[in-house]
Amino acid sequence: SQTIHQWPATLVQPVGSPLSLECTVEGTSNPNLYWYRQAAGRGLQLLFYSVGIGQISSEVPQNLSASRPQDRQFILSSKKLLLSDSGFYLCAWSFLLHQTGGETQYFGPGTRLLVL
Amino acid sequence: TQLLEQSPQFLSIQEGENLTVYCNSSSVFSSLQWYRQEPGEGPVLLVTVVTGGEVKKLKRLTFQFGDARKDSSLHITAAQPGDTGLYLCAGIPSGTGRRALTFGSGTRLQVQP
Repeated sequence: SQTIHQWPATLVQPVGSPLSLECTVEGTSNPNLYWYRQAAGRGLQLLFYSVGIGQISSEVPQNLSASRPQDRQFILSSKKLLLSDSGFYLCAWSFLLHQTGGETQYFGPGTRLLVL
Repeated sequence: TQLLEQSPQFLSIQEGENLTVYCNSSSVFSSLQWYRQEPGEGPVLLVTVVTGGEVKKLKRLTFQFGDARKDSSLHITAAQPGDTGLYLCAGIPSGTGRRALTFGSGTRLQVQP
């Protein structure tokens, strides 16, 4: 069976510090991978998605970046955190992207980031 | 503006009551999905509706996809405290070439015992 891991679970960082959040998937190959940010009690904002190693699509301009160094590893980074980067970060994977929809995304447990 | 608008944003009801949550868009979707998210966890898929007018039932939850495939609703019968959570609709709009799901803003449901 497939599992998705995220770490750390919680992170408190000062403004201006770097960030690295990691997401790994087990039990599948060549998954589509996604990073979302969620404000408290609200919907998900797609940040990045990747359909393969080294292939990253960015949804919104920001001071965050993403990388996919391995097939089942997705990393979210920042060189200098802003207060507005605080939030709940969710990684997700899906299998076989379908242009006509019907794609199920499986989410990780999330990382709660607080920038002070 | 949100591509998928959900209403209401927040709903607090007593155990045993019925409720309906709506997900609306001006765009056509080939399918729509509903997820439920509990605090501190990732969303979990409840259902996918694919055909216009389709109705799917999951125990006390009834999901409907609009005939024009622009909207969907979730109806819960005899709500229980375990139904508490954030309900999210999501989909990929047809004909946009978009390759990732768009999520609605969510409906936070609280069921009081």
